[in-house]
Amino acid sequence: EDQVTQSPEALRLQEGESSSLNCSYTVSGLRGLFWYRQDPGKGPEFLFTLYSAGEEKEKERLKATLTKKESFLHITAPKPEDSATYLCAVQEKDSSYKLIFGSGTRLLVRP
Amino acid sequence: SAVISQKPSRDICQRGTSLTIQCQVDSQVTMMFWYRQQPGQSLTLIATANQGSEATYESGFVIDKFPISRPNLTFSTLTVSNMSPEDSSIYLCSVRNGPNEQYFGPGTRLTVT
Repeated sequence: EDQVTQSPEALRLQEGESSSLNCSYTVSGLRGLFWYRQDPGKGPEFLFTLYSAGEEKEKERLKATLTKKESFLHITAPKPEDSATYLCAVQEKDSSYKLIFGSGTRLLVRP
Repeated sequence: SAVISQKPSRDICQRGTSLTIQCQVDSQVTMMFWYRQQPGQSLTLIATANQGSEATYESGFVIDKFPISRPNLTFSTLTVSNMSPEDSSIYLCSVRNGPNEQYFGPGTRLTVT
């Protein structure tokens, strides 16, 4: 059964304290791995799609990497406005384009 | 990116009634999706709605409970029928735009009393 597991469930950082969020997955064939940011009361905001092991993508203080079994979202020198829930989702190599989501990591960055 | 709007943004409904949620996209898209996010949980796909064909439902979701319309390439509706408190969730419309980008609307927060 396809599965996506995110860790930690919650993370508290001081402003400027870099860290990483983990997303491990098991699928029969990966079409893409998606990262989203979700603020309270809002829909998920698209960040990145990664397609193959070794791929990296960056956006401001965020950098996403992908291996054959997991993805990391690295946050460098975070600011309080980076506080949000970060969701990881995988899409299998079939025709459905269904996203299978993890439970998310709640990030709080303190000033 | 695609800009997605949903109506209503939130509603409080009595059990046994139905609510229709609208999703409008600012560009033509082939594939639209409806997701549910139950309190404190992550997102689960309800169904895929393609224009000109019947919606495809995921395991655990049925057409009688969640009928979907897709009259054109920019609009879709999801109805939550015969509601119970267990249907209290955020319902999200999503579209696939480009080779592998998928965007979400702001969501409809439904509370069933």
